[in-house]
Amino acid sequence: KNQVEQSPQSLIILEGKNCTLQCNYTVSPFSNLRWYKQDTGRGPVSLTIMTFSENTKSNGRYTATLDADTKQSSLHITASQLSDSASYICVVSAGRGATNKLIFGTGTLLAVQP
Amino acid sequence: KAGVTQTPRYLIKTRGQQVTLSCSPISGHRSVSWYQQTPGQGLQFLFEYFSETQRNKGNFPGRFSGRQFSNSRSEMNVSTLELGDSALYLCASSLLLGKVNTEAFFGQGTRLTVV
Repeated sequence: KNQVEQSPQSLIILEGKNCTLQCNYTVSPFSNLRWYKQDTGRGPVSLTIMTFSENTKSNGRYTATLDADTKQSSLHITASQLSDSASYICVVSAGRGATNKLIFGTGTLLAVQP
Repeated sequence: KAGVTQTPRYLIKTRGQQVTLSCSPISGHRSVSWYQQTPGQGLQFLFEYFSETQRNKGNFPGRFSGRQFSNSRSEMNVSTLELGDSALYLCASSLLLGKVNTEAFFGQGTRLTVV
């Protein structure tokens, strides 16, 4: 069964600190892995997208890693800001061509406190 | 360039009623997907349309249906509403269907409350 699991479920950090969110997946066939940020009451916004051959990708203070052998990904946030408070969702794309489907994790809720 | 537009933003319906939600994709995008998001289940895939044809379908009952028009705008319909249908319904548009790195852009969602 295709599954995406994220940890921790929730996280509280102080402004300026770094944090790392985890994503483990059992998806076959693997196509790509995406991280989304979702602010409360809004739609998800893409942060990064990585294919099988990519093991790291950065977007400003966000850095995602992918280990296709262990089927794990992490999202590292550097020098956190209050605006980073949101839900971070790991999404794995499964399948090929027209049967490509997105499998969503349940997200990590991050709260950045002053 | 306008983003994905969903209407209405908020909706309150009673059990047994039906509802229609609308999604206008980014100009030029031909693929539209629908998702249901609840606190306990996260995002669940409903269906995907491309060129007015349903291409993929999730595991939802037949009460959930959709369609896509020639201008790529899409509607989702839920009939005989149940309390458990209360959720945030998100629409995402993509330029192409099934391409490896096709980015999916989400709308703000429609918050449906069934009472």
